Amino acid sequence: SQTIHQWPATLVQPVGSPLSLECTVEGTSNPNLYWYRQAAGRGLQLLFYSVGIGQISSEVPQNLSASRPQDRQFILSSKKLLLSDSGFYLCAWREEATKLFFGSGTQLSVL
Amino acid sequence: AQSVAQPEDQVNVAEGNPLTVKCTYSVSGNPYLFWYVQYPNRGLQFLLKYITGDNLVKGSYGFEAEFNKSQTSFHLKKPSALVSDSALYFCAVRDGGRGSTLGRLYFGRGTQLTVWP
Repeated sequence: SQTIHQWPATLVQPVGSPLSLECTVEGTSNPNLYWYRQAAGRGLQLLFYSVGIGQISSEVPQNLSASRPQDRQFILSSKKLLLSDSGFYLCAWREEATKLFFGSGTQLSVL
Repeated sequence: AQSVAQPEDQVNVAEGNPLTVKCTYSVSGNPYLFWYVQYPNRGLQFLLKYITGDNLVKGSYGFEAEFNKSQTSFHLKKPSALVSDSALYFCAVRDGGRGSTLGRLYFGRGTQLTVWP
């Protein structure tokens, strides 16, 4: 069966430090992958999506970047974190034509 | 452009009472609509979807949602609420009208449901 792994579960980072969040999917090939952010008290915002290796589309301009070095690996990064980068980050893949399946999320606190 | 509105930030109901969490949408073509639930510090879990067919869609945990095209709504309902239903609920609409197979979802801001004993 297909599963999605996201780590770490929680992360506390100082302002200006780098960031790397990893997401991997098992049990499927060539998935469409997504990074969402949920800021405190707000809804979900789509940050990036990828339809294949090396193919990244950004939905909003920001301090973050994404990469897809392997078919089932999706990485969210930043060179220098800002306070406004705090939030709950969710990785997802499209399980079927009409449904997303989400990872368990990473709670990022930038101090 | 696709968008979803959840007009209520919070819904409070007593256990055993019926619950409704409201959602309205805007899409250029036929809508694909979804409800997801998020428990504290957890990822989102799929509840149900409407693609086509019957306007009343049944999903997980006894939830159902009613698609109303004329009112562009997709309200989530449950006949008898449980304390364990307390969570954050998201309505979403699919972007599928431009020939893309990507199908990314656009989410509402979420509604916090609290069921008290």
